[in-house]
Amino acid sequence: AQKITQTQPGMFVQEKEAVTLDCTYDTSDPSYGLFWYKQPSSGEMIFLIYQGSYDQQNVTEGRYSLNFQKSRKSANLVISASQLGDSAMYFCAMREGQRGAQKLVFGQGTRLTINP
Amino acid sequence: GAGVSQSPSNKVTEKGKDVELRCDPISGHTALYWYRQSLGQGLEFLIYFQGNSAPDKSGLPSDRFSAERTGGSVSTLTIQRTQQEDSAVYLCASSLAGLANGDTQYFGPGTRLTVL
Repeated sequence: AQKITQTQPGMFVQEKEAVTLDCTYDTSDPSYGLFWYKQPSSGEMIFLIYQGSYDQQNVTEGRYSLNFQKSRKSANLVISASQLGDSAMYFCAMREGQRGAQKLVFGQGTRLTINP
Repeated sequence: GAGVSQSPSNKVTEKGKDVELRCDPISGHTALYWYRQSLGQGLEFLIYFQGNSAPDKSGLPSDRFSAERTGGSVSTLTIQRTQQEDSAVYLCASSLAGLANGDTQYFGPGTRLTVL
């Protein structure tokens, strides 16, 4: 079974609109972390936001927020007021187990295109 | 401060040759990870190193792949007798393992390997 599922291969959004990128996960470990990364055409993976499984509130980092619904096992990324520079691939990833060095499992990604 | 660096940025080799890919992590990061990104497989974990512990090699696809980390810093990923299916972008990441930041992994720019 897929541990991380991103159901939107591609999304097209008008500039300045908000966009939600979906991510669902599957784990039986009570301790885990969820990450979102952005990969522009240059290829580098840029960390955007992190949510821990025990965090009570959704995390916000600037225009990025993570809509964490634990009971649904979803961790959607919300980008407010989208900009042309937001066009990129976006990956959701999960770390299982206690904090510390653990591998990340990635979803297949969503290609976001912001139209002017 | 300086981010994760990788060299070379591009490598073209002939089938059957050995290649070495280098990763220089962020100074002070105790954990170092290697991932592979290919068109058909997405992002796959290969191996990680954490301090003086034995590395987690569970993601290495075959015994042609090996990695070492000298002095707890620089790491080299070696692929022996390269095959065309080894063509991919090899990404290195590092993290401050175990701290209260979710153990965020920061990625380097990657090495694009092409096996002819």
